[in-house]
Amino acid sequence: EPEVTQTPSHQVTQMGQEVILRCVPISNHLYFYWYRQILGQKVEFLVSFYNNEISEKSEIFDDQFSVERPDGSNFTLKIRSTKLEDSAMYFCASRGTPAEQYFGPGTRLTVT
Amino acid sequence: AQSVTQPDIHITVSEGASLELRCNYSYGATPYLFWYVQSPGQGLQLLLKYFSGDTLVQGIKGFEAEFKRSQSSFNLRKPSVHWSDAAEYFCAVSSNFGNEKLTFGTGTRLTIIP
Repeated sequence: EPEVTQTPSHQVTQMGQEVILRCVPISNHLYFYWYRQILGQKVEFLVSFYNNEISEKSEIFDDQFSVERPDGSNFTLKIRSTKLEDSAMYFCASRGTPAEQYFGPGTRLTVT
Repeated sequence: AQSVTQPDIHITVSEGASLELRCNYSYGATPYLFWYVQSPGQGLQLLLKYFSGDTLVQGIKGFEAEFKRSQSSFNLRKPSVHWSDAAEYFCAVSSNFGNEKLTFGTGTRLTIIP
């Protein structure tokens, strides 16, 4: 069964450093998403991506965040200058049609 | 704006007992509704979904949910829980057009006692 994969599973970084979280969506899916979950809190939408551009972003997704689909398979989330409050689990999701989103296992980001 | 309320933060049930997890949503039109399960340290697994049609939907692992438009609810049920059902359960809603981002509830943590 096809699945969404994410790397790394855990990333530790220092405040102010740049991080790139990587995702490989399901191959025939067209819509891609990033969500995050701060420890003990609910899952929050960050950004959606379709047809090589951002289709919607939340208020969390400020200028420090960017997304890219650099080739036909990867989907990345970049945080330019990490803050302590960026520490969270970051989930990538993809969907074909209809609206069923498949989630990856997540990347736990720890900012120290 | 769409929103989801899961009023129960934590539920404890005995193994073999029945289960109902509550979910209420707010959305201006007919939404797409989902239940996801998250085991500790794991990702989100889709249990079931409602798009249209029959308001009682069946999912994996013996779960079912019923969409009640009049109550804006989408409660999750299982007739007999197993110890392996212990996890966090999230209800989510999305629009039925556009990018269909998911809006999640705060989750219900399910504990199973022997």
